[in-house]
Amino acid sequence: QQQVKQSPQSLIVQKGGISIINCAYENTAFDYFPWYQQFPGKGPALLIAIRPDVSEKKEGRFTISFNKSAKQFSLHIMDSQPGDSATYFCAASLNDYKLSFGAGTTVTVRA
Amino acid sequence: DADVTQTPRNRITKTGKRIMLECSQTKGHDRMYWYRQDPGLGLRLIYYSFDVKDINKGEISDGYSVSRQAQAKFSLSLESAIPNQTALYFCATSDRGQTNNEQFFGPGTRLTVL
Repeated sequence: QQQVKQSPQSLIVQKGGISIINCAYENTAFDYFPWYQQFPGKGPALLIAIRPDVSEKKEGRFTISFNKSAKQFSLHIMDSQPGDSATYFCAASLNDYKLSFGAGTTVTVRA
Repeated sequence: DADVTQTPRNRITKTGKRIMLECSQTKGHDRMYWYRQDPGLGLRLIYYSFDVKDINKGEISDGYSVSRQAQAKFSLSLESAIPNQTALYFCATSDRGQTNNEQFFGPGTRLTVL
């Protein structure tokens, strides 16, 4: 049973558009919520992360929005570029060790 | 990430065979992990180790075993491979001293069990 539910499974966006990926969790004890980015043939790599005491975190074109009461968080990719085409995984952890990953979202940015 | 290496990168084997996947890291991290990735299921934790003498089962450890030969080496074994163990396997490392537990992944091993 997956502890973090992620949607959509895939999405296609035009260059310059906004990509939005949503995740939901049940365990209110989770205290760290990272997003990992994976390119074909590579291992995942940390993209951006947030802790539950903050509602939003922005790094460049990537923003995490966090809604503690709804137990949801999302990744927004602004001004999407073809180089952003990848699979994105949300995750959650407790006490900074084991990560529970979502199922992944494949993002395709069309030029 | 060149600091975390996995061998082999691809492997085809037959049902019932024993197979070992190896992971080495030069990052000096104390924590190491094995995951499997399946389409639509994301990454699931098989085993993790916080140091050479500390090995723990993850959420899907049945059919797998591990060995932490040194701080830098963590191997995953399939004692008797079965077709539903066909997957992409990743090793990862992290540093206990980091507050965010960023995990660094190897390039993966694609395993096919016929």
